[in-house]
Amino acid sequence: AQSVTQLDSQVPVFEEAPVELRCNYSSSVSVYLFWYVQYPNQGLQLLLKYLSGSTLVESINGFEAEFNKSQTSFHLRKPSVHISDTAEYFCAVSDASRGAQKLVFGQGTRLTINP
Amino acid sequence: GAGVSQSPSNKVTEKGKDVELRCDPISGHTALYWYRQSLGQGLEFLIYFQGNSAPDKSGLPSDRFSAERTGGSVSTLTIQRTQQEDSAVYLCASSLQAGTDTQYFGPGTRLTVL
Repeated sequence: AQSVTQLDSQVPVFEEAPVELRCNYSSSVSVYLFWYVQYPNQGLQLLLKYLSGSTLVESINGFEAEFNKSQTSFHLRKPSVHISDTAEYFCAVSDASRGAQKLVFGQGTRLTINP
Repeated sequence: GAGVSQSPSNKVTEKGKDVELRCDPISGHTALYWYRQSLGQGLEFLIYFQGNSAPDKSGLPSDRFSAERTGGSVSTLTIQRTQQEDSAVYLCASSLQAGTDTQYFGPGTRLTVL
């Protein structure tokens, strides 16, 4: 069965600093990868996803993630964070060979931005 | 447009009682998913529907849990004889079709079993 590991449960950074949230998944023949974000007191929202094609995917608010098949990773990065990025971030994977319906989530990384 | 809605937003019940949680998907979305978010287990898949059929029920933790979907729209998750370990936030999501289409999540129902 698929599994996802988010290595850091909490990441504190200063405003305007760069950040990387790490995500590794268990190996599979083919996978789809996702980052979801949960802002305080809000529901889960899709941040970005990788289905195929370019291994670098971007979101509209400056985040990017790179699919690395050899390292089975999908780390999320942002070059300069803002207070408004404070949230919990979840990495998720679905198995493309089994129809990709079910999302398997990591434990989440709480990103805290300090002024 | 309206997003996924869930009711109730909060539910407190006593151990042994049955509860029903409701999900209204985005209009036109044929796929509907149930997940559970708890402190100990994180976010777990429970079941998904394509139309009114449930091809994958693999995540339901026990036979006390069941779900149905009628008319290809509203879904109800029922937990019978609730236990304290059932306490969690139950999340519903919907997508245009099951598969790679983006899953849009509702705000969740927080269930507390005393």
